[in-house]
Amino acid sequence: AQTVTQSQPEMSVQEAETVTLSCTYDTSENNYYLFWYKQPPSRQMILVIRQEAYKQQNATENRFSVNFQKAAKSFSLKISDSQLGDTAMYFCAFMKPETGANNLFFGTGTRLTVIP
Amino acid sequence: SAVISQKPSRDICQRGTSLTIQCQVDSQVTMMFWYRQQPGQSLTLIATANQGSEATYESGFVIDKFPISRPNLTFSTLTVSNMSPEDSSIYLCSVSQGAIEKLFFGSGTQLSVL
Repeated sequence: AQTVTQSQPEMSVQEAETVTLSCTYDTSENNYYLFWYKQPPSRQMILVIRQEAYKQQNATENRFSVNFQKAAKSFSLKISDSQLGDTAMYFCAFMKPETGANNLFFGTGTRLTVIP
Repeated sequence: SAVISQKPSRDICQRGTSLTIQCQVDSQVTMMFWYRQQPGQSLTLIATANQGSEATYESGFVIDKFPISRPNLTFSTLTVSNMSPEDSSIYLCSVSQGAIEKLFFGSGTQLSVL
């Protein structure tokens, strides 16, 4: 079975600074997807960034980037120039492509607070 | 991206009653999913709802407790039956649109059972 571990229950960062959220996972699969989702107080889960395991290049979306270390099974999220709107729960997730969204495993989340 | 509307946004219910949660999507989607997020916890998949077939339930969830309807490609309902305080959670609808890894979520239903 796949497991996703987020070892930081809570983190805080000063506005405009950079913060890195950690995620590790355990799988015997070679092909899979990794995701970071953001859940603000509005409760909606918003996709922040996605990484395909077969791609060596780290995914980047504006201020959000990942450090994907396949051998180490590590998938950290870096948020640059943190903004107050980044305050939210962040969930790391793993998906095996052949089983699709009905086999999406979430970590326990990291609560990020951006301090003005 | 798909726009998903969930109703109600929140509700407070009495023990032993049932609540039906609606999920409406602005475009046709093949796969719809229902998740539960217990307080302070991550998301757990309840079931997969495909149009024209019975929902597929994950281990620990049964149809009698969480009946699901999927009458068409844009709508689904989840009923939480015979509720107890342990059912107090956020329930989220999600859909897969296009590639299987493109998953979108509704804003959830915050359920409190007294």
